[in-house]
Amino acid sequence: DTGVSQDPRHKITKRGQNVTFRCDPISEHNRLYWYRQTLGQGPEFLTYFQNEAQLEKSRLLSDRFSAERPKGSFSTLEIQRTEQGDSAMYLCASTRGSQKTEAFFGQGTRLTVV
Amino acid sequence: DQQVKQNSPSLSVQEGRISILNCDYTNSMFDYFLWYKKYPAEGPTFLISISSIKDKNEDGRFTVFLNKSAKHLSLHIVPSQPGDSAVYFCAALWGSGGSNYKLTFGKGTLLTVNP
Repeated sequence: DTGVSQDPRHKITKRGQNVTFRCDPISEHNRLYWYRQTLGQGPEFLTYFQNEAQLEKSRLLSDRFSAERPKGSFSTLEIQRTEQGDSAMYLCASTRGSQKTEAFFGQGTRLTVV
Repeated sequence: DQQVKQNSPSLSVQEGRISILNCDYTNSMFDYFLWYKKYPAEGPTFLISISSIKDKNEDGRFTVFLNKSAKHLSLHIVPSQPGDSAVYFCAALWGSGGSNYKLTFGKGTLLTVNP
């Protein structure tokens, strides 16, 4: 399978715990995006990378959130001191180059904070 | 500030008929538009796109129309099939030479195609 892969698919955590999600983009794609989707909403942009450089972060990304893409391949999204409001589907997408083209999404990680 | 709006949360059609999903946008800088389909517990899947230099793009049963003056686009599915039942997201993109190309999504429309 050469699509975008996200791990884990589901995560249940207690409030206050830290969680980390992983995304493996399509191999030749140099742009990687993180989005968050809550019930009744469309995906909301969180941050994106071109290769290993993080080029933009949304104001939705509080100080408790950090994302990395250390070698320009896979990426991780960490949430520290989780809150119930962090419960959402976290989506990763990748795309090629600087052309306007469709982004390919992974299946997402469903986070539930209890 | 919702820059991409899908004002119909849901739409129900009969199998074989046309489905028309609508989308409005407010940011005149958007110049590339996409439709995604999403099943529960899965990520969005790309369907079809259109550049702002065109007013129509067709791919099999799916056609997207763009009316730039009205800042409106629509997705037509003909004929509709039960397997088309999903949430459809309209998304828009803008950016120039190396700057950010991030998708801005609408809230989605749940399409139900009844057999």
